[in-house]
Amino acid sequence: GESVGLHLPTLSVQEGDNSIINCAYSNSASDYFIWYKQESGKGPQFIIDIRSNMDKRQGQRVTVLLNKTVKHLSLQIAATQPGDSAVYFCAESNDMRFGAGTRLTVKP
Amino acid sequence: DAGVIQSPRHEVTEMGQEVTLRCKPISGHNSLFWYRQTMMRGLELLIYFNNNVPIDDSGMPEDRFSAKMPNASFSTLKIQPSEPRDSAVYFCASTGGGGKINTEAFFGQGTRLTVV
Repeated sequence: GESVGLHLPTLSVQEGDNSIINCAYSNSASDYFIWYKQESGKGPQFIIDIRSNMDKRQGQRVTVLLNKTVKHLSLQIAATQPGDSAVYFCAESNDMRFGAGTRLTVKP
Repeated sequence: DAGVIQSPRHEVTEMGQEVTLRCKPISGHNSLFWYRQTMMRGLELLIYFNNNVPIDDSGMPEDRFSAKMPNASFSTLKIQPSEPRDSAVYFCASTGGGGKINTEAFFGQGTRLTVV
């Protein structure tokens, strides 16, 4: 039957490859951005954040890039693992409204 | 800290009944958010409080929904009367960022509500 619901962007990668998840934001005055990861059956969890005075921030296996000119964020995950399979959301500082998110599936 | 605590984890109720969802934010956090998550609409912000005061309730779907925060350590989301279309997972989150979101938000485990 026909599937009804949000059209969730999906990304499927092979285990060990790098993943890039993109997000566009709307408010040029936003000065703080966060990436969240939501695993099945759980609430969203903080991954990494970045403030607008930075272009790049690195964590453990994750990097966030901020392009204020085009109002774009990306989350890069290095050496993607099966445990990275989840829905990823970005949020901006002016509100805590989330977009649809991106579903990442890691194939073993 | 135990994190954001929501109760109950699961609730099944009959159409027309009143439902009350509860949330205990992280101690010291002064902003609290209620969300609803469904396949159709994703993660929707319903309402948020700052220092126990409702700041933005524009996401509350209709008058059947109400939320209160009587003190810094407790909030409720009430649906009266409940309808099958209210079935969803409801999340509560808290953050210490004050009126502006400049720190990460911590989410509870959610309450899965089923209205039959």
